[in-house]
Amino acid sequence: DAKTTQPNSMESNEEEPVHLPCNHSTISGTDYIHWYRQLPSQGPEYVIHGLTSNVNNRMASLAIAEDRKSSTLILHRATLRDAAVYYCILRDAAAGGTSYGKLTFGQGTILTVHP
Amino acid sequence: EAGVAQSPRYKIIEKRQSVAFWCNPISGHATLYWYQQILGQGPKLLIQFQNNGVVDDSQLPKDRFSAERLKGVDSTLKIQPAKLEDSAVYLCASSLAPSGFNTQYFGPGTRLTVL
Repeated sequence: DAKTTQPNSMESNEEEPVHLPCNHSTISGTDYIHWYRQLPSQGPEYVIHGLTSNVNNRMASLAIAEDRKSSTLILHRATLRDAAVYYCILRDAAAGGTSYGKLTFGQGTILTVHP
Repeated sequence: EAGVAQSPRYKIIEKRQSVAFWCNPISGHATLYWYQQILGQGPKLLIQFQNNGVVDDSQLPKDRFSAERLKGVDSTLKIQPAKLEDSAVYLCASSLAPSGFNTQYFGPGTRLTVL
């Protein structure tokens, strides 16, 4: 499975933007970049995903480098509720492959938001 | 829409006892996953079902773990006999299909403590 590298932890102040980086230098052409987050004592929840172009939704934005070897999850205004572990995951979209559709979680980035 | 339901939320047992977890996925979701999350780590996939058939159980310790998905809907995960190292949160997730971009929806998890 393709691997990602994320910082162990990051800190932010409430109402400030947060940029969470992810490196994925061995990404393949059929890998989607997914972000999930896990709030304390809850299961992971989907945040956003993309393939090549930058993506926006109501929760966050995803900026993908032109060579796709890195990406950044952007929370435009952090709130206390955004304190969580953020996972950057490469998900194989090639039907029939052994890793098709799987989510392989790494350690993630622990985001702390200060009031 | 109702989310993924899991029960019980917490379970404490002694080593060598058996335990079972139950999961009810989102209605209409053909794919069901069981993950194990040890404290401080990301979730690890144990088994994946497509309807009532097993797609991937390569990470399931089959000497003590078993899982089934009755009629392609609910699922149970059993551990018999439990070991100390099985202490973890067991997460169930479901998705419409196992594609590279279908969102996986997670339940709240069952926290197992083995004494």
